[in-house]
Amino acid sequence: GAVVSQHPSRVICKSGTSVKIECRSLDFQATTMFWYRQFPKKSLMLMATSNEGSKATYEQGVEKDKFLINHASLTLSTLTVTSAHPEDSSFYICSASKEGAGNTIYFGEGSWLTVV
Amino acid sequence: SQQGEEDPQALSIQEGENATMNCSYKTSINNLQWYRQNSGRGLVHLILIRSNEREKHSGRLRVTLDTSKKSSSLLITASRAADTASYFCATETSGSRLTFGEGTQLTVNP
Repeated sequence: GAVVSQHPSRVICKSGTSVKIECRSLDFQATTMFWYRQFPKKSLMLMATSNEGSKATYEQGVEKDKFLINHASLTLSTLTVTSAHPEDSSFYICSASKEGAGNTIYFGEGSWLTVV
Repeated sequence: SQQGEEDPQALSIQEGENATMNCSYKTSINNLQWYRQNSGRGLVHLILIRSNEREKHSGRLRVTLDTSKKSSSLLITASRAADTASYFCATETSGSRLTFGEGTQLTVNP
């Protein structure tokens, strides 16, 4: 079946540095991908919609200069957390929709970011 | 604000018992989906029910949808210890954009 892969699964970075998380659709093309953020024991909050070949659409309250999203190909979207701070530590999950087959949505395994 | 609210927030049952989780939402939807998440892992899609459907089954799962009350329920029958996880409802309004409920943490005790 369709698979969405995220990398890295865990990353630790120092405050002030930037870190990039990749989201790949392995066997299908996704014109749209989504990035969510989840704090421990909390729900998923949609951060932004990643559109292939165009700018991402950010949810209200999400800083676009802080969370840079690039969707350069039909199988890859990246989320870069810039100038990371400890409060950015969270679980980041992406999803992609496979067109046809009822537009099933597939989620990646998530990426744990810890900023120290 | 979160579209969905779920109750209970936590549920602890014995193996073999049924588990029922409820979800409410606020706006019109295209469909409602239920997902499972093991601790610290990604989401697994369980079942999707469209706005014109009232009930759907998949194995030990039964989902109902009441659009007049803007609510849904997920029933897991004959629960197993392996069903221990967090369960989230998510509503889709357009274009695969999901809004998640707060989730229910289910613990099935062996």
